[in-house]
Amino acid sequence: GQNIDQPTEMTATEGAIVQINCTYQTSGFNGLFWYQQHAGEAPTFLSYNVLDGLEEKGRFSSFLSRSKGYSYLLLKELQMKDSASYLCAVRDRYNQGGKLIFGQGTELSVKP
Amino acid sequence: EAGVAQSPRYKIIEKRQSVAFWCNPISGHATLYWYQQILGQGPKLLIQFQNNGVVDDSQLPKDRFSAERLKGVDSTLKIQPAKLEDSAVYLCASSSSLPLGAFFGQGTRLTVV
Repeated sequence: GQNIDQPTEMTATEGAIVQINCTYQTSGFNGLFWYQQHAGEAPTFLSYNVLDGLEEKGRFSSFLSRSKGYSYLLLKELQMKDSASYLCAVRDRYNQGGKLIFGQGTELSVKP
Repeated sequence: EAGVAQSPRYKIIEKRQSVAFWCNPISGHATLYWYQQILGQGPKLLIQFQNNGVVDDSQLPKDRFSAERLKGVDSTLKIQPAKLEDSAVYLCASSSSLPLGAFFGQGTRLTVV
């Protein structure tokens, strides 16, 4: 079966660092994606990992371990505008065009 | 580059009525997805097209939902008849042949009363 798990909600302080974890079990694997979604808006692409290791992009980094079925999104120097839902998604390898399966999302609240 | 366009942005209908949503993907994107997102949950894939062919519709409630993608470009998603539990945001997304993620439209917020 297909299953993607991430915490429902997290709270962090402005200026701090927060790590959002994601574990997955899918029939195939061809990449893991992180999206950011502000309330009432569409998801926007943050990062993509297909090989093990860390991908860094400014204040955001994403890590992947394929053997463990595990990823995390690291947000540094948190800002109030980072308050949003963060969605972990896995691309199914055995599907033409790449089926994207989403987790339920982690609601991050950044406090002053 | 223009993004994924969806219309309408909002729709309120009574249960048992029908409704249709329209999506225009990013030019050149062969893959088009329709997702349903219920408040507080992640997007759930309803149907995936590759050009004008259906690749996956395993989670589409086919007794009431239908979708088509004519000429491999625009797509419409229809619900007939609507139920209260269909209240959600319907997101359209598209992707190219590159191993990248999908780009989402603004979505249509459907309320069934």
